[in-house]
Amino acid sequence: AQSVSQHNHHVILSEAASLELGCNYSYGGTVNLFWYVQYPGQHLQLLLKYFSGDPLVKGIKGFEAEFIKSKFSFNLRKPSVQWSDTAEYFCAARGGATNKLIFGTGTLLAVQP
Amino acid sequence: DAGVTQSPTHLIKTRGQHVTLRCSPISGHKSVSWYQQVLGQGPQFIFQYYEKEERGRGNFPDRFSARQFPNYSSELNVNALLLGDSALYLCASSLEDRGNYEQYFGPGTRLTVT
Repeated sequence: AQSVSQHNHHVILSEAASLELGCNYSYGGTVNLFWYVQYPGQHLQLLLKYFSGDPLVKGIKGFEAEFIKSKFSFNLRKPSVQWSDTAEYFCAARGGATNKLIFGTGTLLAVQP
Repeated sequence: DAGVTQSPTHLIKTRGQHVTLRCSPISGHKSVSWYQQVLGQGPQFIFQYYEKEERGRGNFPDRFSARQFPNYSSELNVNALLLGDSALYLCASSLEDRGNYEQYFGPGTRLTVT
């Protein structure tokens, strides 16, 4: 069955610390991968996406993610977090021939000033 | 450009009642998808519509139905509401129904069933 797993449910970091959030997917065939962010009181926004090509993708606000096909992973990274990065982060996947997104359960990130 | 809009913002209903949620996609977007987000979980796919036709359905009971209008706006209907239907209902639009197109999400409708 198609699924997306996020291993970190709650993460607490101090400002300037580095961030890595894990995401693993289970999908057959072509897969598109996404990271969405939901800031407090706001709607889901796309951070970055992978469709094909360079497995290292860069998104907004200094975030990046690396697609590692052999590990079925698409981990999110940021070298130095800020207090304003406090939010919930969702990894999502879909097959190449459909618009149906399958989301992970989300990771709540709290950055302490 | 306006983003995806949804109405109403909040809704309180009683068990057994019926509810209709509305979504207007980004101008030019032809595909609309609906998701249910229960507190503490990621969004779950309910339906996708493209050019007024259903293109996908998630694992939800027949009490859930939807439609898309000629102007690409969409409605999600839920009959015989249960307490477990309390959730944030998200609408997302995209330019096409497949391919390298991303989905843009609206702010959601918070439904509370008492």
